Amino acid sequence: NAGVTQTPKFRVLKTGQSMTLLCAQDMNHEYMYWYRQDPGMGLRLIHYSVGEGTTAKGEVPDGYNVSRLKKQNFLLGLESAAPSQTSVYFCASSYPGTSQPSYEQYFGPGTRLTVT
Amino acid sequence: SQQGEEDPQALSIQEGENATMNCSYKTSINNLQWYRQNSGRGLVHLILIRSNEREKHSGRLRVTLDTSKKSSSLLITASRAADTASYFCATRPSGGYQKVTFGTGTKLQVIP
Repeated sequence: NAGVTQTPKFRVLKTGQSMTLLCAQDMNHEYMYWYRQDPGMGLRLIHYSVGEGTTAKGEVPDGYNVSRLKKQNFLLGLESAAPSQTSVYFCASSYPGTSQPSYEQYFGPGTRLTVT
Repeated sequence: SQQGEEDPQALSIQEGENATMNCSYKTSINNLQWYRQNSGRGLVHLILIRSNEREKHSGRLRVTLDTSKKSSSLLITASRAADTASYFCATRPSGGYQKVTFGTGTKLQVIP
């Protein structure tokens, strides 16, 4: 199992450009999450999904959109990048969907995004 | 705003010593989890303690939870250089929400 993978690992954007970050998991997890991590701020939840075709806003959703068309994939989009979106982005997944849920989150390796 | 706040923000100890870090949170929780993050990597789940538990052990890790004080502590015994990392607590609130909130982390340095 590859676990949770993220593409790309690094990206530099100019202000106003758009991009999509891809997260994929092969653990059949129901729930998927996108976080951003900034120095001294810990992880902040951007958007999350509790199943295929569903998404919900997290703590800091502005400027981002997401889609969960397939259970194994969770996409994070930046329509018009801003310098304030310079951060490290982590995707995570959890909950195998059995009668005894596991709340443990499995994280991807992260995407380091710089917006100039 | 962050649900969990870790204390201290940074901790430096000698190999073989014990490391204790604390987490305080604001609202009622279903469970509290601790994660480790090595530099430049994703987070790795260490241990989960439920709201009706007071203490839990896993190898060299010991976690306590005091729901009356809304606080938790993570003890790493006999630390090793490989324990150098940032440690985060994450709280899952009561009420069936499927998301957790992470604290700001404690940066642990274990000196060989």
